[in-house]
Amino acid sequence: GESVGLHLPTLSVQEGDNSIINCAYSNSASDYFIWYKQESGKGPQFIIDIRSNMDKRQGQRVTVLLNKTVKHLSLQIAATQPGDSAVYFCAENIVWGNTPLVFGKGTRLSVIA
Amino acid sequence: GAGVSQSPSNKVTEKGKDVELRCDPISGHTALYWYRQSLGQGLEFLIYFQGNSAPDKSGLPSDRFSAERTGGSVSTLTIQRTQQEDSAVYLCASSLTGMRVNTGELFFGEGSRLTVL
Repeated sequence: GESVGLHLPTLSVQEGDNSIINCAYSNSASDYFIWYKQESGKGPQFIIDIRSNMDKRQGQRVTVLLNKTVKHLSLQIAATQPGDSAVYFCAENIVWGNTPLVFGKGTRLSVIA
Repeated sequence: GAGVSQSPSNKVTEKGKDVELRCDPISGHTALYWYRQSLGQGLEFLIYFQGNSAPDKSGLPSDRFSAERTGGSVSTLTIQRTQQEDSAVYLCASSLTGMRVNTGELFFGEGSRLTVL
């Protein structure tokens, strides 16, 4: 399918290297954050989430880091694979806030084989 | 079905025509969301349904946009008198819990790509 986000920031990484995707969130009251992965022609898929009472959370090959002081979120992907090529979105929200997830504009990750 | 199903996957229409986009959420999910994704942009919230509560329509960009959810399941997003700026991918998502306990993931469909000529 046709790609979305043709004018997004792009990160190119060699296969096997680690990737770091950054996100600056906007609302200092946000206390819940999610990373989504969107492959071409598909809807976004949940990768990992983190609450504001944590500064780090690890999943399988992925780690999310949260710095509330500077309102910064990052997603680290270890040993990046071609299948990791996608657009990555961070999303923020307030638990119990009765507001929808607010998504960032996304970063395109291109893995060079 | 196993996931969120959306139809049509692609829709090309002429300016001024009405379009209807359909979403079939995951069975048992009480919350349903519509987002819009324009080229080069993130996901823009449109509308949210939670059970039998009144929908949160705060994201609808104009009164040409409306949505309904019948029987707490299938939802239809309607765009009247379409304009070229309505061209985008319209994504539907569902979740077990709604925005009041907004943790856990949203399950997205593959989207309906709308092109207004």
